[in-house]
Amino acid sequence: DSGVTQTPKHLITATGQRVTLRCSPRSGDLSVYWYQQSLDQGLQFLIQYYNGEERAKGNILERFSAQQFPDLHSELNLSSLELGDSALYFCASSVDGVSGRDTQYFGPGTRLTVL
Amino acid sequence: QKEVEQDPGPLSVPEGAIVSLNCTYSNSAFQYFMWYRQYSRKGPELLMYTYSSGNKEDGRFTAQVDKSSKYISLFIRDSQPSDSATYLCAMTPYSSASKIIFGSGTRLSIRP
Repeated sequence: DSGVTQTPKHLITATGQRVTLRCSPRSGDLSVYWYQQSLDQGLQFLIQYYNGEERAKGNILERFSAQQFPDLHSELNLSSLELGDSALYFCASSVDGVSGRDTQYFGPGTRLTVL
Repeated sequence: QKEVEQDPGPLSVPEGAIVSLNCTYSNSAFQYFMWYRQYSRKGPELLMYTYSSGNKEDGRFTAQVDKSSKYISLFIRDSQPSDSATYLCAMTPYSSASKIIFGSGTRLSIRP
């Protein structure tokens, strides 16, 4: 158990809908990362937050947004869902997300299925 | 061409064998290199972490980085059925821990 929690475990929804994925980082970690893992694209970095502020952006679609709250939990919002958004979404956390030596700990993921 | 290339496998070896997993990359700015292990229906977990070129050993695992060839390897000695998982290489440029680029993963199966 990494100490990172994600809810829900599974989510099934329809195209065009909007969903929210939630992540609680490990105690003491200030940085949260979101990743998408699909069969064809592999594990892709979406976005990073550090202590409530956006730190870095990766291949995140405009239909997707995220935020980190004062209690450091984070939410990833996916809207206007398409079939291709079906994937595993992972959250990871680390102490500071600054140095290259900072270790990321991954949560168990949320499996999103868009029908 | 992807920044990080990794043979997807699957790779099947008998218990006790030495396993070699490899990745190549194109971005010479990568300085930090990692190997993650991902069991089915679980999140990735960090196995090995190396900075720049050289070898690093941790128990049955050895990570090698050859920056001149843009090639990294993970060796598993005395492989066990519990090592059966997908192994992801990952790397990031200096001071950009937030933009880790992952390989597509190699699925490894250790036969008892």
